[in-house]
Amino acid sequence: SQQGEEDPQALSIQEGENATMNCSYKTSINNLQWYRQNSGRGLVHLILIRSNEREKHSGRLRVTLDTSKKSSSLLITASRAADTASYFCATDAGYSTLTFGKGTMLLVSP
Amino acid sequence: DTEVTQTPKHLVMGMTNKKSLKCEQHMGHRAMYWYKQKAKKPPELMFVYSYEKLSINESVPSRFSPECPNSSLLNLHLHALQPEDSALYLCASSQVSFGPAGVSYEQYFGPGTRLTVT
Repeated sequence: SQQGEEDPQALSIQEGENATMNCSYKTSINNLQWYRQNSGRGLVHLILIRSNEREKHSGRLRVTLDTSKKSSSLLITASRAADTASYFCATDAGYSTLTFGKGTMLLVSP
Repeated sequence: DTEVTQTPKHLVMGMTNKKSLKCEQHMGHRAMYWYKQKAKKPPELMFVYSYEKLSINESVPSRFSPECPNSSLLNLHLHALQPEDSALYLCASSQVSFGPAGVSYEQYFGPGTRLTVT
């Protein structure tokens, strides 16, 4: 069953712009993770934020977590064409069994 | 080496065939996973192995049979599949987590096997 719900389902932007994706979930979590998937390929882990953290940065990525609202956001700054992919949030109750959201398809045009 | 390999990359099989998908990792991870992903959908967890023992089976039909022969290998044996089983099958591995109060780890995914059942 899916727990996370990403918003928007699809996002189209120009290179250099920022992209923001949101994720909502329903039950208690140990951590929330974001993954990227290029078309038809395996998933790549981007960032993990634990339930006691509110914000985390990694390069051009910024993730926030609001456990009171059961929501998270992923911000990609200064986007590039190579960022074109599907992005999934995944919740983990603490046993490394991930429940993925429906995903956001990001298209970055040159 | 942070790579998870999967073979074959593509597989076409009839409904009466028996085939196997293979997954290998050399990161020393003791948790390994099988996911099924349909087009334009998120991955869905099928099985979890922890220390080479099956710890989670997400009510997967018996025509899918997992096997973990050692800490580096994970197989998925397929038999009498249906066309609706056509999907991308993803393998992943991670360090083992020990519950909600413990440390959790990211998963490393292989590139997947694209399965078509005819």
